[in-house]
Amino acid sequence: GENVEQHPSTLSVQEGDSAVIKCTYSDSASNYFPWYKQELGKRPQLIIDIRSNVGEKKDQRIAVTLNKTAKHFSLHITETQPEDSAVYFCAASIGAGKSTFGDGTTLTVKP
Amino acid sequence: GAVVSQHPSWVICKSGTSVKIECRSLDFQATTMFWYRQFPKQSLMLMATSNEGSKATYEQGVEKDKFLINHASLTLSTLTVTSAHPEDSSFYICSASSDKGNTEAFFGQGTRLTVV
Repeated sequence: GENVEQHPSTLSVQEGDSAVIKCTYSDSASNYFPWYKQELGKRPQLIIDIRSNVGEKKDQRIAVTLNKTAKHFSLHITETQPEDSAVYFCAASIGAGKSTFGDGTTLTVKP
Repeated sequence: GAVVSQHPSWVICKSGTSVKIECRSLDFQATTMFWYRQFPKQSLMLMATSNEGSKATYEQGVEKDKFLINHASLTLSTLTVTSAHPEDSSFYICSASSDKGNTEAFFGQGTRLTVV
């Protein structure tokens, strides 16, 4: 089955700096890669996603890149703010919404 | 986006009893629903995939007789934790997909189960 590895497990940055989280996946059939932000005790919130026919996608301060050949994808957050502090999960999906999640990254943005 | 409602949001039960958790898609027909379990400070682990009108497909290591899943309609799936034990205490989250070629799944708000 699919295996998703996520790094780093914790990330601390100063407000205004950029944060980068990286994930690799194993199944070349995966074609959808969502990123979620989860606050304590709440549901994962989709923040950005990318499909396998696209190499990069950006939405304001958030961007995601995908390298299909290398089977890795990354989340980039620029101009970080304290409210960006949360746990971030990457996921890989073959279809119909079934996702394999990475282990998560706890991002702390220091004011 | 589509709305998925999960109920209850939290439940405390005694060891040995059963607990039912409901997952409803409110504004779309969910051909497929997924049940995840999340232990504190860990990732979401897929437990099972349920398709309307058919038996659920369980992930390796998940006991199908302990975690009963029913997907009787296109808008409702239920997860029943039978003979619950303290080690079953966890955050259970469902997600639903309309299966229309869009692979995005929509999450319920989760259920915090505590078995005492």
